[in-house]
Parts: sequence; structure tokens; C-alpha cells
Amino acid sequence: SQKIEQNSEALNIQEGKTATLTCNYTNYSPAYLQWYRQDPGRGPVFLLLIRENEKEKRKERLKVTFDTTLKQSLFHITASQPADSATYLCASDYGGSQGNLIFGKGTKLSVKP
Amino acid sequence: DAGVIQSPRHEVTEMGQEVTLRCKPISGHNSLFWYRQTMMRGLELLIYFNNNVPIDDSGMPEDRFSAKMPNASFSTLKIQPSEPRDSAVYFCASRLTGKNTEAFFGQGTRLTVV
Repeated sequence: SQKIEQNSEALNIQEGKTATLTCNYTNYSPAYLQWYRQDPGRGPVFLLLIRENEKEKRKERLKVTFDTTLKQSLFHITASQPADSATYLCASDYGGSQGNLIFGKGTKLSVKP
Repeated sequence: DAGVIQSPRHEVTEMGQEVTLRCKPISGHNSLFWYRQTMMRGLELLIYFNNNVPIDDSGMPEDRFSAKMPNASFSTLKIQPSEPRDSAVYFCASRLTGKNTEAFFGQGTRLTVV
């Protein structure tokens, strides 16, 4: 069955370092991947989208890559700050025309000062 | 626009009672999603509507769960009868139909069944 997975439940890094989060997918080919941020007690908020024909997308300190060979997307936060601490989720549809949106379990990022 | 609006924010109910969660999507959005979030299972898609029609309800856990979208501005998720294992945060999200569009989430309803 189709799966979208974020294998790291938690990531702890020092302020100023680059955080790298991983999203893998199996048994389907998504047309795009999205990344969301979720703070405690709130709903996820959209950050970035990358299409299958794009290798890389940037937005301020955020960078997303999409490797269709490895079936993987990487999400980077450069010069991380304590305010970046949150749970980050990747999402995609099933690659068909249904329009569903499924999410990985998320990675909880903690940036220590 | 006020965003996606869910009510209630919190619900505590006794096992066996009926629970109804409500969602008002963003005006103009024609796709609506109901999700359930727990620590163990993450954010699970329960049901997806497009233009008020249920497209995929394969994520609905069992017959105790039902969802309706009588018009473009309102949807409900009902659990009858509720069980303690239904305790979770339930999110509603909406977006414009299309593969490249972002979803907007409500604040969620935290349901506790005792």
C-alpha cells in the first residue's frame, strides 16, 4: 500500500546549526510533496511545496529537495533558532487524480539555545 | 476570511454518547478533509469531500463514524456511539481542488471520551 513516512520522531539540534528532516514514500509516485509546521495545540500550517520535476525549492531559511530516484524529500532549516522548534510534517496525494492529502507522522524538532 | 472554523474546541463526553463535530471551510474552497491525530498514529485522513460529495471515506474507522457535507459552507463528523479509543484531536481542513494547492487547517477539536 502507499505510504509516506518520516522515520525520525524527534530531532534535537543546537541553535545556529542546519536541521535536516527526511520524508520517504513507497509504492506510489507523488506529483508533489508539501511540508507543514505544527505547533502544540494548533493545526498544521503550510510552508512549502515542491513538484516532482523540481529538484530544489527555497524560501528564506527553508530549503526542500525532491529526489524521485531515492523516493525522498529532504527539508532543511539553516541557521536554526529556538523559534523553529515545532513538529514538521510532509504530505502528498496518492499520485492519482483523487485529490486526497495524506501526511507523514511528523518529526518533532527541538532547537536548543 | 476567518479561516477554517471548527467547533467545539474541546469536548468531553461519556462512552456511548453521540458526538458531533462541526466545520466551516474557507469560502470558495471546494475540497474538505477530516483528519484524526493521535500520538501513536499521527494525522490520519478519515474522509475527503470534493464539491460536497464524499470521494474517499476509506479512512473512516468503522460504522460508528459518519460525515456529511450538506452544503459548501458546512460539514459534520458524527460518532455514535462514542468509545474511549475515539479520544483524539480531530482536524478539518479545506483547499481549492488541485494537486498543487495548500490545505488550510482549523484549530481542531480535542475529544475526550470517558
